Amino acid sequence: EAQVTQNPRYLITVTGKKLTVTCSQNMNHEYMSWYRQDPGLGLRQIYYSMNVEVTDKGDVPEGYKVSRKEKRNFPLILESPSPNQTSLYFCASSPKPGPEYGYTFGSGTRLTVV
Amino acid sequence: GDSVTQMEGPVTLSEEAFLTINCTYTATGYPSLFWYVQYPGEGLQLLLKATKADDKGSNKGFEATYRKETTSFHLEKGSVQVSDSAVYFCALFSPNAGKSTFGDGTTLTVKP
Repeated sequence: EAQVTQNPRYLITVTGKKLTVTCSQNMNHEYMSWYRQDPGLGLRQIYYSMNVEVTDKGDVPEGYKVSRKEKRNFPLILESPSPNQTSLYFCASSPKPGPEYGYTFGSGTRLTVV
Repeated sequence: GDSVTQMEGPVTLSEEAFLTINCTYTATGYPSLFWYVQYPGEGLQLLLKATKADDKGSNKGFEATYRKETTSFHLEKGSVQVSDSAVYFCALFSPNAGKSTFGDGTTLTVKP
């Protein structure tokens, strides 16, 4: 089944403790992206990647890092999480970043930083 | 910059009612337009899309027409079901900017 898989689904952590949210897609998509979803703010893009070893900042990149060493994986790293990073996170992928393609989204990761 | 404005929710309808969720956009160039649906506890799923003016996207009884003159892409369904209860997101992809912009989402609840 074609899908984007995120792990974990739920995570509660403490301020300052480094964490990684994994994202993997099995569709050989070139484009991958991370979003956060917050009440009243909709979906905001954190980082995106056009292909292996090519990443760039989205609208809200502060406090996050990403890497794209392989085409299928695009982990989101929080080096020192803070409470304002409590949110629902989605990974998404697309064959290419083009006007004719929509995204395939993962099921989300609900992160709570206390 | 690009933006997408959706009608505020929540929207509550009775089963078999007609649904309209308004969506307007601002963008440079000629964006593609999308509707996504998010069921409780799940990620967003692409519902329909339109890539040029006057195109009509349709899927699962939902329709939306790309209206360039009014910069709108309103979502409609003739007869909603309880299973349509979800959050609906309007989005655009701008070839100029090379990125997507999402609306804030509209929560739809359909009561039996």
